[in-house]
Amino acid sequence: DQQVKQNSPSLSVQEGRISILNCDYTNSMFDYFLWYKKYPAEGPTFLISISSIKDKNEDGRFTVFLNKSAKHLSLHIVPSQPGDSAVYFCAAMYNAGNMLTFGGGTRLMVKP
Amino acid sequence: KAGVTQTPRYLIKTRGQQVTLSCSPISGHRSVSWYQQTPGQGLQFLFEYFSETQRNKGNFPGRFSGRQFSNSRSEMNVSTLELGDSALYLCASSSDRDNEQFFGPGTRLTVL
Repeated sequence: DQQVKQNSPSLSVQEGRISILNCDYTNSMFDYFLWYKKYPAEGPTFLISISSIKDKNEDGRFTVFLNKSAKHLSLHIVPSQPGDSAVYFCAAMYNAGNMLTFGGGTRLMVKP
Repeated sequence: KAGVTQTPRYLIKTRGQQVTLSCSPISGHRSVSWYQQTPGQGLQFLFEYFSETQRNKGNFPGRFSGRQFSNSRSEMNVSTLELGDSALYLCASSSDRDNEQFFGPGTRLTVL
C-alpha cells in the first residue's frame, strides 16, 4: 500500500506563475514531511520541510502547507522559473525513525 | 562543507555476481541511509546505519546488506545479483539534530 501519494504525475506551468504540487499520506504516525527536487541520474536535492506541529513553512520562493486533518501537504513555488523544471518528491517520516517514505513524484515543467 | 559522495557512479555486473557500493557522509553526520530507485517501485528505503549499528531496515531480501565504519562511511552489498536489482542506489546522511537527509549523486547499477 502506498502510504505517500502524489496523484499528479506531471504539471506544466508558465514562467512567473505559481506552481502547486500536492501530496497525500495515509499514515497518521508521520510527523515530519520533506520536499525534494530531482534531476535524472542525480540524487534528490532537499528543498523544504515541515513538522506536524506547524501548518506552514516558507523559504524564499518555496512554501509548504500541511493540513493534518486532511493528511495533505502542498508545495507552492512562486514565481516559477524554467530552472525549477524537475521531478519533485514529497517524503514523510516518523520523528522516532530516520526512514523516509517517498511519493511517486511529480514532473514539473516550467515553460518560458 | 563537502556533500555526500558515492562511489562508483556507474557499475555493470552480470547476474549472480555481487557488488559493493560506498558512501561517505557529510562531515559530522553519523546517520547514513540507503535507498533504491527504480522506474517501477520509485524510491524505496533499504536501511539506515547510525554509529556503526543498523537502526532501521526496509522490506528488502537478505541479499541486501550494509555496514558502517567508525568514521561513518558506509557500504552496501548486494549478493547474487538479479536483473531486477538494476537501479539507482542512493545514499543519504543526516545529523543528530535535524531530520533533513542530504543525498549523494547515486550509483547507477546495471545487471546484465
